[in-house]
Amino acid sequence: SQTIHQWPATLVQPVGSPLSLECTVEGTSNPNLYWYRQAAGRGLQLLFYSVGIGQISSEVPQNLSASRPQDRQFILSSKKLLLSDSGFYLCAWSVLRGQKGNQPQHFGDGTRLSIL
Amino acid sequence: AQSVSQHNHHVILSEAASLELGCNYSYGGTVNLFWYVQYPGQHLQLLLKYFSGDPLVKGIKGFEAEFIKSKFSFNLRKPSVQWSDTAEYFCAVVDRGSTLGRLYFGRGTQLTVWP
Repeated sequence: SQTIHQWPATLVQPVGSPLSLECTVEGTSNPNLYWYRQAAGRGLQLLFYSVGIGQISSEVPQNLSASRPQDRQFILSSKKLLLSDSGFYLCAWSVLRGQKGNQPQHFGDGTRLSIL
Repeated sequence: AQSVSQHNHHVILSEAASLELGCNYSYGGTVNLFWYVQYPGQHLQLLLKYFSGDPLVKGIKGFEAEFIKSKFSFNLRKPSVQWSDTAEYFCAVVDRGSTLGRLYFGRGTQLTVWP
């Protein structure tokens, strides 16, 4: 069965420090991968998505970047964190299934990022 | 671009009351529809999905949703809620023909059930 791992679960970082959040998927190949930020009362905001190794699309301009060095690995990064980067970050994956199109996205447990 | 509207931001019910959460989307093409649930302290989980066929779909824990194409709606229902249904509920839509699989989420509805 497929599983998704996201770490760390909680992270406290000072302003201006770098960031690296990692997400890996097991049990499937060539998944679509996604990074979301979830804010209370504002739902989920899609930050990045990837349909393959090295292929990253950004939804919103921001202080963050993403990379996909391997098929089932998706990394969210920043060179210098801002206070506004605080939030809850979710990684997700999905696959295409022929004519049925996109299957549900499956989410990791999330990372609570606090910037001090 | 697609958009998803969840009209109720916070719903408060007593146990055994009936539930209906509204979801409307704007997109002219063929879509797959989902409801996700996030229990306190837990990750987002799929509650139910609609791809095609019977517009009334049943999910886990007694939830169901009805797709009404003419109204662009996918409302979530449960005839009798329980305290354990307290959670945040998200409606989501994806263009079935999209290879990117970009999900469009509603802003979520917080459901609080009093025992």
